[in-house]
Amino acid sequence: GQNIDQPTEMTATEGAIVQINCTYQTSGFNGLFWYQQHAGEAPTFLSYNVLDGLEEKGRFSSFLSRSKGYSYLLLKELQMKDSASYLCAVMDSNYQLIWGAGTKLIIKP
Amino acid sequence: IAGITQAPTSQILAAGRRMTLRCTQDMRHNAMYWYRQDLGLGLRLIHYSNTAGTTGKGEVPDGYSVSRANTDDFPLTLASAVPSQTSVYFCASSGGQGADGYTFGSGTRLTVV
Repeated sequence: GQNIDQPTEMTATEGAIVQINCTYQTSGFNGLFWYQQHAGEAPTFLSYNVLDGLEEKGRFSSFLSRSKGYSYLLLKELQMKDSASYLCAVMDSNYQLIWGAGTKLIIKP
Repeated sequence: IAGITQAPTSQILAAGRRMTLRCTQDMRHNAMYWYRQDLGLGLRLIHYSNTAGTTGKGEVPDGYSVSRANTDDFPLTLASAVPSQTSVYFCASSGGQGADGYTFGSGTRLTVV
């Protein structure tokens, strides 16, 4: 079956760096996505990786290793507004997204 | 309209009643999706449509139906609501394959009592 695993919850300190890991097993691979979802709101797109390596976008970076079925989202210079859930999703061979349950990130002052 | 509009924003519904959740997009995206999101379970696909006139079943389709008469609209109907259908429902659309990802509506919070 298809499976996306990510930690349920993480805590970090304002100004620090946090890495959220995601491992996946899917039928086919057409890219990996990270979304941010604030409580009570819709998910919003953060990043897309289809080739191995690191994609950097401001304070956020996303890494992919297809051979290991592994990705991480790196958040630098954490701000209180980064408190949210972070969803990992893989696009399978049918171009549909398979979603992880999300990682709730708590930022403390 | 810019993006995806869902209605209503929230609803309390008596068990056994019929309810249609509305979803409209103005991006001319071919693919549209309905998800439900429950605490600890993440997003689960209910139904999808790859193009107008076609629909398919997702992971949790029982008790729900959809139609796709045109590109813009993708309503979700609960024929006879049950308390286990209490959830937050998100409609999403996608314009292509890969990097575009999905665009989500703001969600409908449904409580079945």
